[in-house]
Amino acid sequence: SQTIHQWPATLVQPVGSPLSLECTVEGTSNPNLYWYRQAAGRGLQLLFYSVGIGQISSEVPQNLSASRPQDRQFILSSKKLLLSDSGFYLCAWTENTEAFFGQGTRLTVV
Amino acid sequence: TQLLEQSPQFLSIQEGENLTVYCNSSSVFSSLQWYRQEPGEGPVLLVTVVTGGEVKKLKRLTFQFGDARKDSSLHITAAQPGDTGLYLCAGALGNMLTFGGGTRLMVKP
Repeated sequence: SQTIHQWPATLVQPVGSPLSLECTVEGTSNPNLYWYRQAAGRGLQLLFYSVGIGQISSEVPQNLSASRPQDRQFILSSKKLLLSDSGFYLCAWTENTEAFFGQGTRLTVV
Repeated sequence: TQLLEQSPQFLSIQEGENLTVYCNSSSVFSSLQWYRQEPGEGPVLLVTVVTGGEVKKLKRLTFQFGDARKDSSLHITAAQPGDTGLYLCAGALGNMLTFGGGTRLMVKP
């Protein structure tokens, strides 16, 4: 069966520091992968999606970037975090457009 | 501007009451899904509807896809405290899965 791993679960970072969140999927090949951000108690904002290695589409212009160095690995990064980057980040993969999510990373920028 | 508008945003009801959550858009979707999310966790898929006019039932939950495949509703009968959570609709457009703003439901015992 397919599983998705996302880490870390929580992260507190100072303003201006770099960020790296990692997501890996097991049990499937060539998945569509997504990064979403969620404000408290609200809907999901699509940040990036990828249909294959090295193929990244950005939905929101900001100081975040994404990379897909391997088929089942998706990384969200930033060179310098802003206070506004705080939120709940979710990685997901889709099968027939149905999404399966990781446990999420609660990022607090201080 | 949200592609998918959910209403209401918040709903607080007593155990045993019925409720309906709406998800509306001006776009036509190839499919539409409903998810439920607990605090601190990722959303979990409840149902997918594909055909215009389709109705699916999951115990006390009834999901309907609009005839034009632009909107959907979720109806819960005799709500229970365990139904408390954030309900999200999501529409599929090609590879893109776009989420609504969510409806936060609280069911009081």
